[in-house]
Amino acid sequence: AQSVTQPDIHITVSEGASLELRCNYSYGATPYLFWYVQSPGQGLQLLLKYFSGDTLVQGIKGFEAEFKRSQSSFNLRKPSVHWSDAAEYFCAVVSPMNYGGSQGNLIFGKGTKLSVKP
Amino acid sequence: GAVVSQHPSRVICKSGTSVKIECRSLDFQATTMFWYRQFPKQSLMLMATSNEGSKATYEQGVEKDKFLINHASLTLSTLTVTSAHPEDSSFYICSATPIDSSPLHFGNGTRLTVT
Repeated sequence: AQSVTQPDIHITVSEGASLELRCNYSYGATPYLFWYVQSPGQGLQLLLKYFSGDTLVQGIKGFEAEFKRSQSSFNLRKPSVHWSDAAEYFCAVVSPMNYGGSQGNLIFGKGTKLSVKP
Repeated sequence: GAVVSQHPSRVICKSGTSVKIECRSLDFQATTMFWYRQFPKQSLMLMATSNEGSKATYEQGVEKDKFLINHASLTLSTLTVTSAHPEDSSFYICSATPIDSSPLHFGNGTRLTVT
């Protein structure tokens, strides 16, 4: 069965420190991959996505993610964290075949809560 | 950019009453909208796919008669939680996309509390 694993439930980093949030997926083929951010009580905002091509993807707010096929991973990184980055981060996948009219069939990980220390 | 508006953001209702949640695409038309449910400290789970002008497609385990979905126009989908019970308390989020190949845009969610 398809699944997404975010091993870290809660991470705390100091402001200005680097960040890496892990995401591993289980899927028969290479899915489309996404990272979303959710601020408290809010909906989700797309940070970045990977469909194909360059395995290092740049997103908004200074985030990037690297797709590693051999490790079935799509880890999210940021070189220097800001206090405003404190939020919940979700990794999601979808089958390329399902993407499109039925793309609501995203499979989400359980999320990683990021806290930022001043 | 594409904006999805969800209303209300918070609602508290008594057990047995019904609650309607609206999801609007403000600056684009969406033939398809999606409804998710999120339990505390859990991920989002797709509940149903709302199709303009036709019946919604529900995910396995989601009660159609309890969670009524109406997608009457290209910019509005509604989710009605009928005869709400405390276990229906949750965070409900809708999403839509302007064209099929674009990533989803999410509403800000509705926190439903049933007392």
